[in-house]
Amino acid sequence: NAGVTQTPKFRILKIGQSMTLQCTQDMNHNYMYWYRQDPGMGLKLIYYSVGAGITDKGEVPNGYNVSRSTTEDFPLRLELAAPSQTSVYFCASSSPPGTYPYEQYFGPGTRLTVT
Amino acid sequence: QKEVEQDPGPLSVPEGAIVSLNCTYSNSAFQYFMWYRQYSRKGPELLMYTYSSGNKEDGRFTAQVDKSSKYISLFIRDSQPSDSATYLCAMTPNAGGTSYGKLTFGQGTILTVHP
Repeated sequence: NAGVTQTPKFRILKIGQSMTLQCTQDMNHNYMYWYRQDPGMGLKLIYYSVGAGITDKGEVPNGYNVSRSTTEDFPLRLELAAPSQTSVYFCASSSPPGTYPYEQYFGPGTRLTVT
Repeated sequence: QKEVEQDPGPLSVPEGAIVSLNCTYSNSAFQYFMWYRQYSRKGPELLMYTYSSGNKEDGRFTAQVDKSSKYISLFIRDSQPSDSATYLCAMTPNAGGTSYGKLTFGQGTILTVHP
């Protein structure tokens, strides 16, 4: 199993450009999450999904959009990139909350710079 | 006040030392507590998990939860250079239903164990 994979690993965007961060998992998990990690700030939840066709906002959704057409894929779309979106982005997936033990499996991250 | 507070360090210790990492939290709904380890330029990986109050031991690692004080700790005995990483505490109600598995992270503590 590859687990959670993310592409690209690195990207530099100019202000105002758009891009899609890709995330795929092969564990048949219904629950998927997008986080961003800024230095010294831990991880902040951007969006999450509880299954194909169902998504909702997390703590910091502004400037981002998501879609979930399949169980495996959960892309994150940045429209009109701004310097404040410079960050490392992590995708994660999990089995249903309430199961024990509960664990979110993280991808390797996408390092994004907006200049 | 942040929902989860973690001393960001950095923390530098000699090989063989006992390391104590701590988080405090304010949300009494949190029931499930985790410690993630994140090596440089990698995604977080689950290290320890504890449900409700108590202690849990796994090899050189011990996780403690004191819900009455809203305080959790991770102890590393006989620390090794390979333990050098960022350690993130995370927590969730994990009640299923409306929690949706959303994790709240601390800021992370950067640990360096030098030979």
